[in-house]
Amino acid sequence: EVQLQQSGPELVKPGASVKMSCKASGYTFTSYVMHWVKQKPGQGLEWIGYINPYNDGTKYNEKFKGKATLTSDKSSSTAYMELSSLTSEDSAVYYCATYDGYCFDVWGAGTTVTVSS
Amino acid sequence: NIVMTQSPKSMSMSVGERVTLSCKASENVGTYVSWYQQKPEQSPKLLIYGASNRYTGVPDRFTGSGSATDFTLTISSVQAEDLADYHCGQSYSYPPTFGAGTKLELK
Repeated sequence: EVQLQQSGPELVKPGASVKMSCKASGYTFTSYVMHWVKQKPGQGLEWIGYINPYNDGTKYNEKFKGKATLTSDKSSSTAYMELSSLTSEDSAVYYCATYDGYCFDVWGAGTTVTVSS
Repeated sequence: NIVMTQSPKSMSMSVGERVTLSCKASENVGTYVSWYQQKPEQSPKLLIYGASNRYTGVPDRFTGSGSATDFTLTISSVQAEDLADYHCGQSYSYPPTFGAGTKLELK
């Protein structure tokens, strides 16, 4: 069974950075691109970008260039997302999800980021 | 970017009723539309992909239809466990985009 285990909630100060993780299991990590999606409280879903663990290739939503950095570690089957220069607008739940070429088929449970002084 | 517009924003239903949710794309996306169900405090779960294909394990009361710019998710007989937010999304072109969601509530 494909599973994505995300890291726990983060409380961070404005201006700081945060790095969250998404550990994959149940499939060959390098076979599928890993996507990241943002959801602010009470709002819809917003695509951030993806990383291809096979070759570390990345693609970002223009809106998140300079904000999000995606990396991966094949040895631990883990994808990472770092968010920098945090503001209150970055307070949200962040999901990792696999993509089969058509849709986001498996989602992690989400990491809640709260930006507050 | 392609804009996905969902309607209504919310709807109150009774168990057993038939429900139809709408999703409109700002341009032709073929059948590259998926529907996701999100229950409170949970992550989204894939229901429908390719506009009309049910994902593994999804009950057959959920039916997706449509192509080009107009898409529909129908629940033939709503159950209590179906109360959730429903999101449509397009994967026709980058960036993938989603609608604002429809909240299904109990009357």
